[in-house]
Amino acid sequence: GAGVSQTPSNKVTEKGKYVELRCDPISGHTALYWYRQSLGQGPEFLIYFQGTGAADDSGLPNDRFFAVRPEGSVSTLKIQRTERGDSAVYLCASSFTGGSYNEQFFGPGTRLTVL
Amino acid sequence: AQSVAQPEDQVNVAEGNPLTVKCTYSVSGNPYLFWYVQYPNRGLQFLLKYITGDNLVKGSYGFEAEFNKSQTSFHLKKPSALVSDSALYFCAVRDAGNTGKLIFGQGTTLQVKP
Repeated sequence: GAGVSQTPSNKVTEKGKYVELRCDPISGHTALYWYRQSLGQGPEFLIYFQGTGAADDSGLPNDRFFAVRPEGSVSTLKIQRTERGDSAVYLCASSFTGGSYNEQFFGPGTRLTVL
Repeated sequence: AQSVAQPEDQVNVAEGNPLTVKCTYSVSGNPYLFWYVQYPNRGLQFLLKYITGDNLVKGSYGFEAEFNKSQTSFHLKKPSALVSDSALYFCAVRDAGNTGKLIFGQGTTLQVKP
């Protein structure tokens, strides 16, 4: 079956611009996670959705970052007024249920470069 | 707070030799531990997990990991390395609470030479 997909694979933008990153999870997975991976680092948690609601957004670095999952499947991570420090690979993952011990399946990521 | 540490930035091993990639953890409560592998320009792929039960966990591609509670370790192992095993390996621990979010180590690059 299809895995987690993310679009675009690469995004180059200018400082101050707005960007949207999309994640399409595995069909039937109710839990969806966003992580950010900076160069040479492990992924860091941003936000977790169980269904349509953001159950934990404690990893979002500031209020420029926002994410939605309006129908409980596709999710969009939105970054306003981008800064050079936002440059990283943004990873999306889904699992059958959240709050459990199920493994998470990761997408290939979106590489964001802010010039 | 939950955390994991991968003390080696890089591990080099000859093809056919056994490999070990180290991971230690610090948790409050029971540890739920995972190993993932990342190939260039690809997402993380799940290898194996420890939730409870046998201390030796078997996973994908011939990998296994040994859970050691007294040493708070969860080292990844393979009896005979392949060149194709060369990749970036991440150890992770499930965070306390009910979200299932993962806390990752810094990663270890495994280089298998022919």
